[in-house]
Amino acid sequence: DGGITQSPKYLFRKEGQNVTLSCEQNLNHDAMYWYRQDPGQGLRLIYYSQIVNDFQKGDIAEGYSVSREKKESFPLTVTSAQKNPTAFYLCASSIEYSNGYTFGSGTRLTVV
Amino acid sequence: AQSVTQPDIHITVSEGASLELRCNYSYGATPYLFWYVQSPGQGLQLLLKYFSGDTLVQGIKGFEAEFKRSQSSFNLRKPSVHWSDAAEYFCAVDPNTNAGKSTFGDGTTLTVKP
Repeated sequence: DGGITQSPKYLFRKEGQNVTLSCEQNLNHDAMYWYRQDPGQGLRLIYYSQIVNDFQKGDIAEGYSVSREKKESFPLTVTSAQKNPTAFYLCASSIEYSNGYTFGSGTRLTVV
Repeated sequence: AQSVTQPDIHITVSEGASLELRCNYSYGATPYLFWYVQSPGQGLQLLLKYFSGDTLVQGIKGFEAEFKRSQSSFNLRKPSVHWSDAAEYFCAVDPNTNAGKSTFGDGTTLTVKP
């Protein structure tokens, strides 16, 4: 079955370390997105990519980086510059902008 | 500023009762509108979407939503709630700028009483 796979489901890192979250899709979707979710808040857009080798900053891109070398993959790196990285991270994709998103099951990152 | 508002943080309904979750948006033109559902610790699932045309849209799991342009609203409804509907519900808006970016409301948590 097609879908989006995020790994790992839980991730623990020490403060000051960079960490990379994986997102892979086999839906043949062109667009991919990273959102951050904090308790009691909606989702906030970090980065998005509408085509391979191109990506755009979202509303809260500071302290994060991404790459889009393959259509299927859109990894997110949380750098040490991100001041409050502990959160639930969601990856999504869409076949076109008007069709809504398909989401992965998320990665919960805890920085200690 | 463009925004999406879900006025109710938490709603409790009895099983079998009807449900309405509110969503209001503030955008210059009619955007694309979506409702998603999230179970604890999981990703979001698309329930339904509105682009144009008929203002009453049907979705999965027995949900429907009505777009009201005059009120800038897109409320989610279900005639009879089941215990399995307990979850968090998010309204989302894509401003139809070809960027494909959706802005999400803060969510409404639904509790279902037996």
